[in-house]
Amino acid sequence: EVQLVESGGGLVSPGRSLRLSCTASGFNFDDYAINWVRQVPGKGLEWVSGFSWNGGSIGYADSVKGRFIISRDNAKNSLYLQMNSLTSDDTGLYYCTRGSGVRSLQFNDQTLFDYWGRGTQVTVSS
Amino acid sequence: EIVLTQSPATLSLSPGERATLSCRASQTVRSYLAWYQQRPGQAPRLLMYDTSQRATGVPARFSASGSGTDFTLTISSLEPEDSAIYYCQQRISWPTTFGQGTRLEIK
Repeated sequence: EVQLVESGGGLVSPGRSLRLSCTASGFNFDDYAINWVRQVPGKGLEWVSGFSWNGGSIGYADSVKGRFIISRDNAKNSLYLQMNSLTSDDTGLYYCTRGSGVRSLQFNDQTLFDYWGRGTQVTVSS
Repeated sequence: EIVLTQSPATLSLSPGERATLSCRASQTVRSYLAWYQQRPGQAPRLLMYDTSQRATGVPARFSASGSGTDFTLTISSLEPEDSAIYYCQQRISWPTTFGQGTRLEIK
């Protein structure tokens, strides 16, 4: 069974940092792109960042570029999101998602999200 | 970036009725349009992709159509478990974007 489990969320003050983790199981992690998608109440779903299967970043949303850093460790079946200079606009539920294409570098395969974790809540507030 | 506009914002129907949800793109997305279902308290679930392909395990009462900028998700005969928010998503252009969602309530 494919599983994606997020962790690392919490309450943090504006300007501080947080590191999210996503641990995968039930599939060959090396073969798939993995992404972060966040859900902000009243604003719906927003793709944040992704990491392709072969070690390159898919990119970052403009709203987080320069502040967030994505990385992955295939030996640990894990994806990470280092979030710096957090603001209240970063508050939301952060989901780890799998891109459906096996060993694909096509953007549309990397961003068809066929499995989602349950999410980890990030709250930025003083 | 491509903006997706979903309508209506809320739909309230009875079991057995037919639901029609719309998604309009600000520019063509060809056939790279997907739909996700989010039930209360759950993560989104992939429902349809490439306009009209059902994802694994999705019941046949779900169908979708469209091309270019106008797309439709149809649920032929509503079940109570179809109560959810439905989002469309485009994957033709970076960044991938989602619509704001349609809330479907089953009376």
